[in-house]
Order: sequence, then structure tokens, then C-alpha cells
Amino acid sequence: QQQVKQSPQSLIVQKGGISIINCAYENTAFDYFPWYQQFPGKGPALLIAIRPDVSEKKEGRFTISFNKSAKQFSLHIMDSQPGDSATYFCAASRPGSARQLTFGSGTQLTVLP
Amino acid sequence: DAGVTQSPTHLIKTRGQQVTLRCSPKSGHDTVSWYQQALGQGPQFIFQYYEEEERQRGNFPDRFSGHQFPNYSSELNVNALLLGDSALYLCASSLTGTSGELFFGEGSRLTVL
Repeated sequence: QQQVKQSPQSLIVQKGGISIINCAYENTAFDYFPWYQQFPGKGPALLIAIRPDVSEKKEGRFTISFNKSAKQFSLHIMDSQPGDSATYFCAASRPGSARQLTFGSGTQLTVLP
Repeated sequence: DAGVTQSPTHLIKTRGQQVTLRCSPKSGHDTVSWYQQALGQGPQFIFQYYEEEERQRGNFPDRFSGHQFPNYSSELNVNALLLGDSALYLCASSLTGTSGELFFGEGSRLTVL
């Protein structure tokens, strides 16, 4: 019930393309769904987050789509750039436990120039 | 404004030894969480400290313990090290009562031989 499943494990896209990473969760008590970006040798950094009262949130080139009935959410990176090459993690947490994140296994994104 | 700082950045221990990792939270933050990130995996929640007490704990054995000091800095102690404890240990800080964004440090890379 605590798992968050992430796919794909790795993703290669051309510069300017759209990168899509998907996550599915089991625990219906989860109410906070952030995405983190991690570069080699660095800690994860919050990219964008959503709560289940909205179906989509957009910040610049990054969009989260959320499907509560399917218990799925996804990250879309528009106009992908080589500088976006990193590992992306989805995560989820329960009410009152926003600091106890359950992370997916990560997607290594490579954007080719 | 200094972010989350961790020390040491790298260390090597042998099985059975004990290790202490240190974390200074982002200025103004009062809550510290610790995560373990195995190679190629997402971070896993170990525990969280607030007001010098352990508030939440993940699925980690008692060999993992911690402490928070009055200045909000924190230590993670691991006793009787196992080979499987080799990982990147991440500290994250946040401010209680806020929306819950976690700010991660760059981690301490522990290798157990």
C-alpha cells in the first residue's frame, strides 16, 4: 500500500521533444505528489508538486497530470533541453506526513542535443 | 543563505563498525528528515526529527538512530554496519506548519567493506 511505481526506468529524447514519465500509487490516503530532479552528485531538488484536488498543474515547461480514479500521475517536460538530463523521481505522502515521502525508483532522462 | 549541509561527503567503513553522519538544516528550518538512497534507487525515509525528538520513523532497524540538537542540526548514527548499509544518506530540512517542501542536502556517501 505504500508503493509508488515509476516508469520508464530510462528515457532518451531529442532536444525539443516531450519527455513523459509516469507513476502509479496504491495508497488512496496519499494527498501530496511531488516530482524531484536529481543531478549526479547532488541531492534531489523539488521540481513541481500537485495535490489531488486538481487534475493538472503547469510550471514553465513542466506539467503534472493527475488521474485520481486511476491512481496515476505523470510528469511532462515540454521542449526538453540537454540541461534537463537528470534522474527524476516521483513521490507521494499522506496527510500530516508531508516530510515522509515515498519515492518511486527513478527515471534517468537523457536529452540528446 | 546556506542550504542543507552534510558531512562528511564520503566515508569508508568496515562491517561491524559504527558511523555518525551530520546535517545542518537550511536557515530557518526546524525539522530534519533522513533518507537512505541505494545506488539506482529512490530515497527511502529513515526518520524525522522535530523539537529534538524522533517524530516519524520508516522501516529501518534500531541500528539506525538519530539526534537533533537545540540549533536544529542533526546526526544519524548507524551501528553494527552491514554491507547493505552502503548508500547515499540524504538529509532534508523543512519548516513545520508549511506546505511541506523538503530541501535536500548533497548527501553523505557511505561505503561499507
